[in-house]
Amino acid sequence: GNSVTQMEGPVTLSEEAFLTINCTYTATGYPSLFWYVQYPGEGLQLLLKATKADDKGSNKGFEATYRKETTSFHLEKGSVQVSDSAVYFCALSDRGSGTYKYIFGTGTRLKVLA
Amino acid sequence: GAGVSQSPSNKVTEKGKDVELRCDPISGHTALYWYRQSLGQGLEFLIYFQGNSAPDKSGLPSDRFSAERTGGSVSTLTIQRTQQEDSAVYLCASSLQGAGNEKLFFGSGTQLSVL
Repeated sequence: GNSVTQMEGPVTLSEEAFLTINCTYTATGYPSLFWYVQYPGEGLQLLLKATKADDKGSNKGFEATYRKETTSFHLEKGSVQVSDSAVYFCALSDRGSGTYKYIFGTGTRLKVLA
Repeated sequence: GAGVSQSPSNKVTEKGKDVELRCDPISGHTALYWYRQSLGQGLEFLIYFQGNSAPDKSGLPSDRFSAERTGGSVSTLTIQRTQQEDSAVYLCASSLQGAGNEKLFFGSGTQLSVL
């Protein structure tokens, strides 16, 4: 079945450091890909998405490019802030029997130090 | 409502008791999803509703788990004869149409603790 694999955390960075969180996927067909973020004490919210190969999703300085050839959707940010400390989840849409569900990775905790 | 609402926010129960968890999705959203979030396990898919029907129940861990949705709106997840391994945060999400490229709107979850 379809699946998502994320790098294990926690990831600890200093403020203004470059961030990469790796995400690879296994899927039949052409799923849409997503990054969700869960800030401390808050619910999950969509950070960005890409719906087809070579699309780049971006939001709040974060970017991810849908790479079909490497089945990857790595999350990057050029300069992280303390406020970016959160858990990040990679996800894909899984079509079965004409309907969709969303498969999530295990999440990567990011801690940014001042 | 303004967002996805879940109740209760916290539930402590004794092993062997039944529990009901409620989800009230965003008005007009036809798709509704239940997930379970355990420490270190990420989000585990449980069940998906399109309107009142559940085309995908593949994630329900056992026959102790069931869910229903009525009026295309509120959904209830029921766990019978709870076990300690059922302890987790149960999350509900909704989306407008259930298409594969949509944003999911999540509730704040129900923290279930089985003693």
